[in-house]
Amino acid sequence: GQQLNQSPQSMFIQEGEDVSMNCTSSSIFNTWLWYKQDPGEGPVLLIALYKAGELTSNGRLTAQFGITRKDSFLNISASIPSDVGIYFCAGSSGGNEKLTFGTGTRLTIIP
Amino acid sequence: GAVVSQHPSRVICKSGTSVKIECRSLDFQATTMFWYRQFPKQSLMLMATSNEGSKATYEQGVEKDKFLINHASLTLSTLTVTSAHPEDSSFYICSASGGSRVAFFGQGTRLTVV
Repeated sequence: GQQLNQSPQSMFIQEGEDVSMNCTSSSIFNTWLWYKQDPGEGPVLLIALYKAGELTSNGRLTAQFGITRKDSFLNISASIPSDVGIYFCAGSSGGNEKLTFGTGTRLTIIP
Repeated sequence: GAVVSQHPSRVICKSGTSVKIECRSLDFQATTMFWYRQFPKQSLMLMATSNEGSKATYEQGVEKDKFLINHASLTLSTLTVTSAHPEDSSFYICSASGGSRVAFFGQGTRLTVV
């Protein structure tokens, strides 16, 4: 099935650093979602974006819905150990439409 | 956020047997539920979409006779892996949507077929 292009694929950072990842699509979406998945668990919703150009924050996380509706980015400021995990973007055409997932960004914090 | 409960979290079964996985929305009515499969270090791949009271819509390449999906109520959907084989071993995840444009995920089920 279709997947969104998500980059980077993996990141190795030190605690306290800021993180940025993004997703691009060849299709237009009406909703962009960002999830975090820990090993052996289901994805947990971090941020939901509903309008082109929208910038939304959730604590140290900030995400934006691209103006073209074909991309989105997620920033994490001042990373902490519990930020370790895999981050997925997902796009939807709205309502109960199915989600198309990004390929994931694995975040590792090095001591 | 809304709570979606998936059960069991882990299951080991013998080759040739069938396994049923349950997905429940605990605090909202899920008009649509989705079933995903995830291989190690890979993203989630949608298997099927189920709407309450109607037949599931399967993605291309997913065998509907092998992965039986039932969505009999607004809070429960089940995925039955029939005649399981080792290649069916995977992490299966459900998600539920109540029409809010946001889907919430269950905890996932690790299936191992021996």
